[in-house]
Amino acid sequence: DTGVSQDPRHKITKRGQNVTFRCDPISEHNRLYWYRQTLGQGPEFLTYFQNEAQLEKSRLLSDRFSAERPKGSFSTLEIQRTEQGDSAMYLCASGPPAGAWVDTQYFGPGTRLTVL
Amino acid sequence: TQLLEQSPQFLSIQEGENLTVYCNSSSVFSSLQWYRQEPGEGPVLLVTVVTGGEVKKLKRLTFQFGDARKDSSLHITAAQTGDTGLYLCAGARMALQHTDKLIFGTGTRLQVFP
Repeated sequence: DTGVSQDPRHKITKRGQNVTFRCDPISEHNRLYWYRQTLGQGPEFLTYFQNEAQLEKSRLLSDRFSAERPKGSFSTLEIQRTEQGDSAMYLCASGPPAGAWVDTQYFGPGTRLTVL
Repeated sequence: TQLLEQSPQFLSIQEGENLTVYCNSSSVFSSLQWYRQEPGEGPVLLVTVVTGGEVKKLKRLTFQFGDARKDSSLHITAAQTGDTGLYLCAGARMALQHTDKLIFGTGTRLQVFP
């Protein structure tokens, strides 16, 4: 399977703990996105990487959130001091270089976070 | 602020019926994508439309992008139980940084009964 993969698929944590999620994009894709989806809503944009550069962050991404893509391949999303309001599905998507098939994004299966 | 409005929010129909889902906005998008999402899974891409007035067909699914690139529709002919799921439209707007981030609608939850 050469699609976008995410790990873990599910994470249950206690309030105040730190969590880290991983995303492996489709290998030839240099664009990588993180989104968050709460129950009954469509996904909301969190942040965007082009290769290893983080080019945009949403206002939704508070200081407790940090994302990295150190070698321009996989990415990690860390949430520090988790709060119950962080409970959501965290989705990663990747896309080919602009100019190839622009705007198309392929999503991973998501990581479901539950903060108790 | 929700830039993309989807209607209806819920749709419950019998197998064999036809249906149309609408995605409307006051904003112009460079492209629009339709996804289907199953519970506990990520959205799966169905189609991308980029040209105003474009019509694309995927078996029993017909997608249309409005002439002004502000709205789109998804029509399903002879629905099957396997069509059950959450249908999401998502528009891309070119930003200065060429982010192409997607703005999603709230989704249409379709239930097809046998």
